[in-house]
Amino acid sequence: DSGVTQTPKHLITATGQRVTLRCSPRSGDLSVYWYQQSLDQGLQFLIQYYNGEERAKGNILERFSAQQFPDLHSELNLSSLELGDSALYFCASSLNPGIGPKSSYNEQFFGPGTRLTVL
Amino acid sequence: AQKITQTQPGMFVQEKEAVTLDCTYDTSDQSYGLFWYKQPSSGEMIFLIYQGSYDEQNATEGRYSLNFQKARKSANLVISASQLGDSAMYFCAMREAMSMRFGAGTRLTVKP
Repeated sequence: DSGVTQTPKHLITATGQRVTLRCSPRSGDLSVYWYQQSLDQGLQFLIQYYNGEERAKGNILERFSAQQFPDLHSELNLSSLELGDSALYFCASSLNPGIGPKSSYNEQFFGPGTRLTVL
Repeated sequence: AQKITQTQPGMFVQEKEAVTLDCTYDTSDQSYGLFWYKQPSSGEMIFLIYQGSYDEQNATEGRYSLNFQKARKSANLVISASQLGDSAMYFCAMREAMSMRFGAGTRLTVKP
């Protein structure tokens, strides 16, 4: 158990709908990352928040948005869903922003993932 | 352009032997981090090992070690004394200032 929690575990919805995925980081971790894993695209970095502020942005679509709240949990909002959005969505957390020496706690720990199926 | 390359789609190793999974990366940043993750068939992503670009010593975590060759831009994972439970997908990843990228993965199968 990594200490990172994600809800829900599974989500089935229809095209055009909107969903919200939730992530609680490990206790004390300030940084939250969101990733998408699909068969055709592999693992893709979406976005990172550090202590409530957006830190880095990857291949996140405009239909997707995220935020990190004062209690450090994060939500990923996916709207106008398409069939191609079906994927496993992971959240990860780290104490620090993710670059630096090994001793600086940049290691990222992943949650169990949310499997999204768009029908 | 591919920033993280794992050239071995699949690898086989005999139980109790050591195995090396290859990873090369491309970056112009001076400061970056390198990760290895294991993904068993159950789907979770398990953190294995981390190496910072300025770390002078190769990272080790139990049976896992990272063979970091900065000039060659390689960060190979060495698993010693393979176990049946090591059978899984293994991903190499690199964190730069504004991005995090993953390789395509290597499927490792440990034979009894």
